[in-house]
Amino acid sequence: AQRVTQPEKLLSVFKGAPVELKCNYSYSGSPELFWYVQYSRQRLQLLLRHISRESIKGFTADLNKGETSFHLKKPFAQEEDSAMYYCALNTDKLIFGTGTRLQVFP
Amino acid sequence: DSGVTQTPKHLITATGQRVTLRCSPRSGDLSVYWYQQSLDQGLQFLIQYYNGEERAKGNILERFSAQQFPDLHSELNLSSLELGDSALYFCASSVDPSGGHQYFGAGTRLSVL
Repeated sequence: AQRVTQPEKLLSVFKGAPVELKCNYSYSGSPELFWYVQYSRQRLQLLLRHISRESIKGFTADLNKGETSFHLKKPFAQEEDSAMYYCALNTDKLIFGTGTRLQVFP
Repeated sequence: DSGVTQTPKHLITATGQRVTLRCSPRSGDLSVYWYQQSLDQGLQFLIQYYNGEERAKGNILERFSAQQFPDLHSELNLSSLELGDSALYFCASSVDPSGGHQYFGAGTRLSVL
């Protein structure tokens, strides 16, 4: 079955602390994975995609096919990173995880 | 602003009724997607249209239907509404019909009383 799992509903850290939002997927094919973010009172928007291997707003995510994971990481969290983060798997449609709310305290 | 427009923003209706949600994609995007987001189910893909044709279907109920018009705007019709249909309904659009980079609208919040 095609599935995306984000085990943490809420992740709370202090400003400057490292952040890792977990994402695991289940897919028999070659995965195409994304992280989407929704800031307060804003629309859901793409943060980054694994094929780009880019760093956006200090966030990176590496696809680990052996562990079927695509965790989102940032070495030093900022208050403005507080948002809902969704991991998504693209098959013939986007399959979203249930999301993780990141709270960064000052 | 993603360029995707959804109307109305809020909709309150009663059980058994029928409603229509509207979406205008970004200029140039041929694909439109509909999603339902409820508290217990997360963001669920409903259906995709590409250039007027249905391209992919998710867990869309038979009471729900959608279409994409020649001007590329799309409508999602929800009929025989039940309390459990209360949710946020999002529309998204993309250039690439198989692309994971989608631009989302602000959503329509449907409340069925």
